[in-house]
Amino acid sequence: QSALTQPASVSGSPGQSVTISCTGTSSDVGGYNYVSWSQQHPGKAPKLMIYDVSKRPSGVSNRFSGSKSGNTASLTISGLQAEDEADYYCTSYTSSSTLVFGGGTKLTVL
Amino acid sequence: QVQLQESGPGLVKPSETLSLTCTVSGYSITSGYYWGWIRQPPGKGLDWIGSIYHSGNTYYSPSLKSRVTMSVDTSKNQFSLKLSSVAAADTAVYYCARVPHTCHGACSLHYIDYWGQGTLVTVSS
Repeated sequence: QSALTQPASVSGSPGQSVTISCTGTSSDVGGYNYVSWSQQHPGKAPKLMIYDVSKRPSGVSNRFSGSKSGNTASLTISGLQAEDEADYYCTSYTSSSTLVFGGGTKLTVL
Repeated sequence: QVQLQESGPGLVKPSETLSLTCTVSGYSITSGYYWGWIRQPPGKGLDWIGSIYHSGNTYYSPSLKSRVTMSVDTSKNQFSLKLSSVAAADTAVYYCARVPHTCHGACSLHYIDYWGQGTLVTVSS
């Protein structure tokens, strides 16, 4: 199985919005509503930010939102804050009964 | 509060078997989730290794399937990973995790909601 495709890096200024894309195929992202997004700060374990395409776990800011269209899922972060600077990974369930990660996107807050 | 903690040797020799255990606290592993392993080579992205249910049912990454074995010890609330014939490319931080799922015949893994802190395993002679 191939990793999902994410941009290597994105950036934005405080207060702005950024969107990170995650492109797969009809066998993963496009075939199931089981796309999730995790945030990872350096040296730390990932933290779940979005699950089932657009749901937020308790305690996650509503500045984080998720969506999906066809084979591409997206994570949007609005009102950027310095603490949002981190690596972001998408994950999807696949038709092979496995999970697959995206390659990761480094978010820089300018 | 669910907590997961990885344990095992931090150094493994090439061609030998990597063995890690994840101890779960604050939640019984028999209470209805899959449990899994993910790794992250230094400076690189996340790589899903596989998941296991307390019944022993497993799902493995196709690229690692021939070398991976997972098991559960319900009496200790632990699950384990064995990766055989390791090489330098297996050097990574290894995370254990909890995986929500649904089953309609076969089971669908949904996402990872709790992670351990991770443990670095280096493959070197």
